[in-house]
This record gives sequence, structure tokens and C-alpha cells, in this order.
Amino acid sequence: QVQLVESGGGLVKPGGSLSLSCVGSGFILSDYYMTWVRQAPGKGLEWLSYITDGGYTTYYADSVRGRFTISRDNAKNTLRLQMDRLRVDDTAVYFCARARLYTVTIDYWGQGTLVTVSS
Amino acid sequence: QSALTQPASVSGSPGQSITISCIGTSIDVGAYNYVSWYQQHPGKAPKFIISDVSSRPSGVSHRFSGSKSGITASLTISGLQAEDEADYYCSSYTATSTLVFGTGTKVTVL
Repeated sequence: QVQLVESGGGLVKPGGSLSLSCVGSGFILSDYYMTWVRQAPGKGLEWLSYITDGGYTTYYADSVRGRFTISRDNAKNTLRLQMDRLRVDDTAVYFCARARLYTVTIDYWGQGTLVTVSS
Repeated sequence: QSALTQPASVSGSPGQSITISCIGTSIDVGAYNYVSWYQQHPGKAPKFIISDVSSRPSGVSHRFSGSKSGITASLTISGLQAEDEADYYCSSYTATSTLVFGTGTKVTVL
């Protein structure tokens, strides 16, 4: 069955960096777009970024453009999110999710990893 | 990109039907039939329940149905059950090739 497992969350100081990873199994990663979505404590879902199947094109929400970088390694079934210049309001659970081609419809989610930005 | 607008909360008694609205604009909900809906129980990851406005993935109850008119999409839950108590989010593809989620709706089963 499809599984997505995130890792790399933790506590980081404002201005710091953190790298999240997501390993997919039960499907061929290169057949899908991949996305990151976050959810701040007690808040709603916020789409952050997605990367096309071959990894050649990326899209970002305004809130993270220029600070976060999405990448993928299809040979290793891995998606990454490099987060730089972190702010307190980046504190959230970060979900990795699989998305269908072209429509970017998210059909499977990981369990999420918590990122806390605090001094 | 502003979030799509959903009511903060909707409630109903067991067996009743409820409808959750999702109001967008002409560059997202109104532009494409790529509206999806997700159910999220507390502390859990979201679950995909509707795609392409009204398509139900395999394994999702027939009690969930979706529709769209203009810039407003809707999710209807028929025959409300205790297990339906959760948060619900809509999402839409946009004209700038991005995604946008709704503000979320808490469904309470009375």
C-alpha cells in the first residue's frame, strides 16, 4: 500500500535551517507530482510547494518562496524540503503528500513531522 | 493567494444531511473542475474523500458527495454518523498553477 514517511522535524532557532525528508513506498514516485503542506497548531492546512514528476519544475506559496526549496530523488523514492531563514510562524506540522499529474490533486498524505521554531 | 472560504462550523444530528460550502474566485474554484475535499480527525493526517469536484475515490463512503456552481463548491454528507465528526477542507488548483486550501470546517454530530 502507499506509504509516505516524513523525517527531519525538530526544534530550531529563528533564522536557522532545517531539512525535511519524505520517503515513499508502494508506488512509483516518478509517476506523481509531490507536495508539502503544513498545519500550524490549531490552524488549517496551508499548501507550501510542489514539484513535477521529473523534478524540473517547482512551485511555491508566497509565504515560503525564496526561503524553502523543494527537491526530489526519484531513484531513492525521496522528497526533500530545505527550509532556510526560519521564522517563529513557520512552526507547524509538515506533511508530505502525493499529487496527481497536472491537476495536483493530493491523494495520499504522510503522517507529518513537527517543526518548532523558537529561541 | 487567499484561502478559500468555508464556514467555521456545521452541525447536524445523526441521520441528517449537512452541506459545507467552499467559496473561491474566478481564478481557482470558478476556473477549473479540480476541487478536492479532505477529512481530518484530530491528531491525524488528512484523508482524501473527493476529487475533481464530485469523484469519490475507491473506499470512500457513498454518503459523501460533491458539487460545484460557479465559484462555490460544496460537500454534502448524507446520513450523518458519529464517525463523520472531523474537520473538512476543500482545495482547488489555481490559474497560477498553485494550490489553495479552504479555511476548514469543523463538523459536529449532535
